[in-house]
Formats: sequence, C-alpha cells, structure tokens
Amino acid sequence: GAGVSQSPRYKVAKRGQDVALRCDPISGHVSLFWYQQALGQGPEFLTYFQNEAQLDKSGLPSDRFFAERPEGSVSTLKIQRTQQEDSAVYLCASMAWGSYNEQFFGPGTRLTVL
Amino acid sequence: GENVEQHPSTLSVQEGDSAVIKCTYSDSASNYFPWYKQELGKGPQLIIDIRSNVGEKKDQRIAVTLNKTAKHFSLHITETQPEDSAVYFCAASKRSQGNLIFGKGTKLSVKP
Repeated sequence: GAGVSQSPRYKVAKRGQDVALRCDPISGHVSLFWYQQALGQGPEFLTYFQNEAQLDKSGLPSDRFFAERPEGSVSTLKIQRTQQEDSAVYLCASMAWGSYNEQFFGPGTRLTVL
Repeated sequence: GENVEQHPSTLSVQEGDSAVIKCTYSDSASNYFPWYKQELGKGPQLIIDIRSNVGEKKDQRIAVTLNKTAKHFSLHITETQPEDSAVYFCAASKRSQGNLIFGKGTKLSVKP
C-alpha cells in the first residue's frame, strides 16, 4: 500500500512568512510524529499525535511552531514568521496501533528560509 | 534525557567487505533500538530493529547486536554492495514515549 506522503516536497519562504507543511500518514496508522532534520544531522523530535490528540509537543522549538491533526489522519505543521534557523527538512512518520515503535517516515519537506 | 552517540561519522569500504557502525545510549530505560537508512533526498527507511529482550537479530546481510550492560548496539552489514551506500542512523526509544532519539549518522560509501 501507499507509504507516508508529504507536501510540498520543497518550500522556499521569505523570512517572516508563514508556512504550512502537510503529512498524509499510512492509512489506519494511529500515531503520527513530526521531526526536524538539520543538514548533516539526525532527525530531532518535534511533536507526537495519537489519533487527533497531541500527546507530546515538548520538541517544538518555539511558539511559532504549531501542529494539528483535527480528524486523526492528515496532519499539518505550521510555522509562523519563519526565521533562517527554521531551514531544515521536516519529516513525518506514522506508526500502527500496537506496534513496538516501528515508525515509517515520509520523504520530508525541505524548507529554505531566505 | 536520552543521548545517542554514533561512530564513525564516515566509513568507506570495498565492495564485498563488511561494515560495522556502533552506537551508545545513556538512558538504561530505553528498550527499542531501530536502524534507518537514508538515501539522498529521501526519508529514513527502517532496515532492522532490536528490542531490549534480545541480544542479536539478523536479516539476510544485516545484523544488529545489543549489549544492555554496556549500553551499546551495533549494525553489521556483510558482503557490502554499492547500493548499500547511504547515511545510516541508529536510534533509541522508550515504549512509553514513542519518540525516537537519533544518532548523528554514518555516511557509508561502498566502492566497486
């Protein structure tokens, strides 16, 4: 079946603009994670949803970052007033209910803030 | 919190040789250790994982070992092929949290 999909794949924003990044998880996957991957680094956790509930947002770097998953399926990561340090690849992963933390990643959205 | 260290940062081998990547973790409560392969422009792909109640797991040319006492785990790739060239990440997690803590990655180059 289809894997995790993300859109757009590439986004260029001017500093100060708002952006919205979309994640479509594997159908039926209950858990959804967002990670941020800086160039040459490993992914870093941002936030976690179980169905529509955001259970952990401890990794969000500032209050400019906001994530939602209103119907427990598609999720959107929004970044307000983008800064150059927000430039990174944003990865989404989903996980099935009862899975032992087996997370499946999408291709990511590369965000460049000019 | 958990900290995962990964070595080496780069690894170059000849086709057919073996490659070993090592990781250490700090939190003794971590109980799940996956390995991901990331090719340029793609998301991380889960290639093998191990849970804390197992010492070793093998899948064809790939194996992972875990030493809970020493808090380290390793990825072993045998009979390497050029298509194994990629960046490999180790990670650790506690089931209760779910989120993965990643190492900084190892860039593996397999020369034909």
